[in-house]
Amino acid sequence: EIVMTQSPATLSVSPGERATLSCRASRRVSSKLAWYQQKPGQAPRLLIYGASTRATGIPARFSGSGSGTEFTLTISSLQSEDVAVYYCQQHNNWPLVAFGQGTKVEIK
Amino acid sequence: QVTLRESGPALVKPTQTLTLTCTFSGFSLSTSGMCMNWVRQPPGKALEWLALINWDDDKYYSTSLKTRLTISKDTSKNQVVLTMTNMDPVDTATYYCARNVYFDAFDIWGQGTQVIVSS
Repeated sequence: EIVMTQSPATLSVSPGERATLSCRASRRVSSKLAWYQQKPGQAPRLLIYGASTRATGIPARFSGSGSGTEFTLTISSLQSEDVAVYYCQQHNNWPLVAFGQGTKVEIK
Repeated sequence: QVTLRESGPALVKPTQTLTLTCTFSGFSLSTSGMCMNWVRQPPGKALEWLALINWDDDKYYSTSLKTRLTISKDTSKNQVVLTMTNMDPVDTATYYCARNVYFDAFDIWGQGTQVIVSS
């Protein structure tokens, strides 16, 4: 089993400020790490894949970094529409696909 | 345009078998690299991956649920079906289908279908 641990559980950030979300894998997953955004009542949306590549249509204020076991999602300037739960997911080891427990981002 | 849509019963009784269908458009599951997944999310909780089927009819299952799950595809109908046996109230969740290519990240998701398990 691969366990994905996200921190913090909740992040309160002022509009325009930077938000930094962390994700740790219990074993190395190379760069096969994705980030998803889920707004209330909606399906998840792919933000970042390959640890650092933005998906189609994702604003440049979202960026990802890391490899191995430590990963970071950064929102450079938080907007009101970024309020959501963010999940990381490893897809390096099948069938041990795993999601983190999520980080809720809210406006301070 | 790629779209996915889940369908199935909104309410099932404990011990029953759940059958969910994902109907998709905009691509073919017979195309090399194409994969389809099922993911669920209990109310207020995190996402949980359940199963994958690929273009070559290979199948992968969550290790914790594999004895209860069966995934299949009908390429001619552009559908993927998931069955889950012996349903329990803890299986109450929104069930999503999601596409990925060559086992990469899940780039397209359906809107989800809510399933409640209750007598």
